[in-house]
Amino acid sequence: DQQVKQNSPSLSVQEGRISILNCDYTNSMFDYFLWYKKYPAEGPTFLISISSIKDKNEDGRFTVFLNKSAKHLSLHIVPSQPGDSAVYFCAASSTGNQFYFGTGTSLTVIP
Amino acid sequence: GAVVSQHPSRVICKSGTSVKIECRSLDFQATTMFWYRQFPKKSLMLMATSNEGSKATYEQGVEKDKFLINHASLTLSTLTVTSAHPEDSSFYICSARGGSGYGYTFGSGTRLTVV
Repeated sequence: DQQVKQNSPSLSVQEGRISILNCDYTNSMFDYFLWYKKYPAEGPTFLISISSIKDKNEDGRFTVFLNKSAKHLSLHIVPSQPGDSAVYFCAASSTGNQFYFGTGTSLTVIP
Repeated sequence: GAVVSQHPSRVICKSGTSVKIECRSLDFQATTMFWYRQFPKKSLMLMATSNEGSKATYEQGVEKDKFLINHASLTLSTLTVTSAHPEDSSFYICSARGGSGYGYTFGSGTRLTVV
């Protein structure tokens, strides 16, 4: 049973535009969320996090939005750059010990 | 920042042999390490949680006799895939509690191919 879902396997965006990656979860007990970026043959690299007490967290070009009532979070990248092309995973945790990962969205930023 | 070194990055082995994957926290002590496996087009799936000095806790469906985990020190955890089969071919990633991202730092992963 997939508790964290990323329904878009891929996304293409023009350089300079906004990239919006979406993530849905089913477990209302999740209280901490992460976005990871992954290049081929490498491990995930932490991007940005958000706890359930907030609905927005911003770090440079990356902003994560959390809608608890909809059990939905999104990652906004603006402006998008070719170097942002990678697979992005969202992850959620309720205990602080184990994370559940989405299946990833492959982002391609077109120069 | 915190670094987790995972070795080897790639390994090809013959069916029936064993392969050991190491995960080291380089500049912090990791009392807890996690081992994940990524299946094609699927999420990272937690295999087991290892705690320094005690037995690992395996997730349901993961064969503990096949995937041996040892966490003998605060900076090293190992995953040994025993009697490897082609279906064990996958991408294995370790994560240690400590460093960035709510205290979790990931290794760079190991691509295992069993032929």
